[in-house]
Amino acid sequence: DQQVKQNSPSLSVQEGRISILNCDYTNSMFDYFLWYKKYPAEGPTFLISISSIKDKNEDGRFTVFLNKSAKHLSLHIVPSQPGDSAVYFCAASETWGGGATNKLIFGTGTLLAVQP
Amino acid sequence: NAGVMQNPRHLVRRRGQEARLRCSPMKGHSHVYWYRQLPEEGLKFMVYLQKENIIDESGMPKERFSAEFPKEGPSILRIQQVVRGDSAAYFCASSPPPRTGELFFGEGSRLTVL
Repeated sequence: DQQVKQNSPSLSVQEGRISILNCDYTNSMFDYFLWYKKYPAEGPTFLISISSIKDKNEDGRFTVFLNKSAKHLSLHIVPSQPGDSAVYFCAASETWGGGATNKLIFGTGTLLAVQP
Repeated sequence: NAGVMQNPRHLVRRRGQEARLRCSPMKGHSHVYWYRQLPEEGLKFMVYLQKENIIDESGMPKERFSAEFPKEGPSILRIQQVVRGDSAAYFCASSPPPRTGELFFGEGSRLTVL
């Protein structure tokens, strides 16, 4: 039962163009969403997050959009740079028992290749 | 290095042996999470621990796997009688007391079962 889905295993983009990575989720109890970036042989590193009370969060070249009705979020990277080439994981968490949790449910990842 | 420290980075075991993976959280973090990444897959939640307590082990296989986070020392993920299907990258993450927020990951321990 994959609660967080990244349907594109890979994406190739030219340097300077926009990269758009997509993520869908099925659990309506998720209320916090994060994107992580992972290089080979390293652990994932946090990139950007968004709470369900917002529909957009921006940090430099990275913007995350959340469409709650569609249970869909996307990560936009503009302009894309060769150093952005990595696997990007979408993750989600929910509050339970009245408290927050840092238990994250991850998607399967999208490999982004930015061509010089 | 103030980050999450995992060791060993690489571990090779033969079928039937035991594997022990260690994780020291970031300074000031009292919550530890273990994730497993099988080849060509995403990260799967295994267990969430606080000091001396298992909070959520819903992702742990029912047999052969155990985890602890003692009062002193690192968190340990223990796999008994390893099988080839246990070959994976095991990532530890830590966080301060729970709030909705990010986890900080270590570089992972890569277990290979021959």
